[in-house]
Amino acid sequence: GESVGLHLPTLSVQEGDNSIINCAYSNSASDYFIWYKQESGKGPQFIIDIRSNMDKRQGQRVTVLLNKTVKHLSLQIAATQPGDSAVYFCAELSHGSGNTGKLIFGQGTTLQVKP
Amino acid sequence: GAGVSQSPSNKVTEKGKDVELRCDPISGHTALYWYRQSLGQGLEFLIYFQGNSAPDKSGLPSDRFSAERTGGSVSTLTIQRTQQEDSAVYLCASSLDDPSTDTQYFGPGTRLTVL
Repeated sequence: GESVGLHLPTLSVQEGDNSIINCAYSNSASDYFIWYKQESGKGPQFIIDIRSNMDKRQGQRVTVLLNKTVKHLSLQIAATQPGDSAVYFCAELSHGSGNTGKLIFGQGTTLQVKP
Repeated sequence: GAGVSQSPSNKVTEKGKDVELRCDPISGHTALYWYRQSLGQGLEFLIYFQGNSAPDKSGLPSDRFSAERTGGSVSTLTIQRTQQEDSAVYLCASSLDDPSTDTQYFGPGTRLTVL
C-alpha cells in the first residue's frame, strides 16, 4: 500500500550548518511531493514542492531533491537557523478517482538547532 | 490576507458526548480537507470537499465521524459518541482548486481531548 516515511525521527544540527532531512515513498506512480514545516502548536506550513518531472528544486535556503529510481526525497536547509527548529513532514499526493487529492504524510523528523 | 481559521482551538469533552469542529477556509478556495494528527504522529487524511462534487470520505475512521460543507465555504466536522482514541489535533486545510497543482494551506488545528 501507499506509505511515506522518514529515515530519522530527530536530527540535531549546529546553527549555521546545513541540514538534510530524508524521506522514502513507496508509490512509484506518485508525481507530486511536498515538504511541510510544523512548529509547536501550529498547523503545517508549506515549504517547497516538486513534481516527478524534476530532480531538483530550489527555494530560499531550501532545496528539494527527488530520486525516482530509489523513491527517495530529501530536503536540504542551508545555514540552519534556530527558527528552523520544527517537525518536518514530507507528503505525497495520492490520486483517487476523479480529481481527489489527499496527501499521504510521513511520520515527521524533528529538527533541533543548537546555538 | 486571512488564512484558514478553526474553532475552537481546544476542546475537552467527556466520552460519549458529541463534538463539532469548525473550519473557515481561505476565501475563494474551492477545495477543503480535514486531517487528524495524533500525538507525535503524521497527519491522517479524513475527508476532502471539492466544489459541488461528492466529498471523498475514504479517510473517515468510523460512522461516528461526519462532515459537512455548507455553501461551499465553512465546514463542520462532527464526531458522535466520542471515544478516548478520538483525542488528537484535527487540522483543516484549503486549496484554491486543483489539489495536484494548488498548495494546501493549513489552519492551526483544534486539539480535542476526550476524557
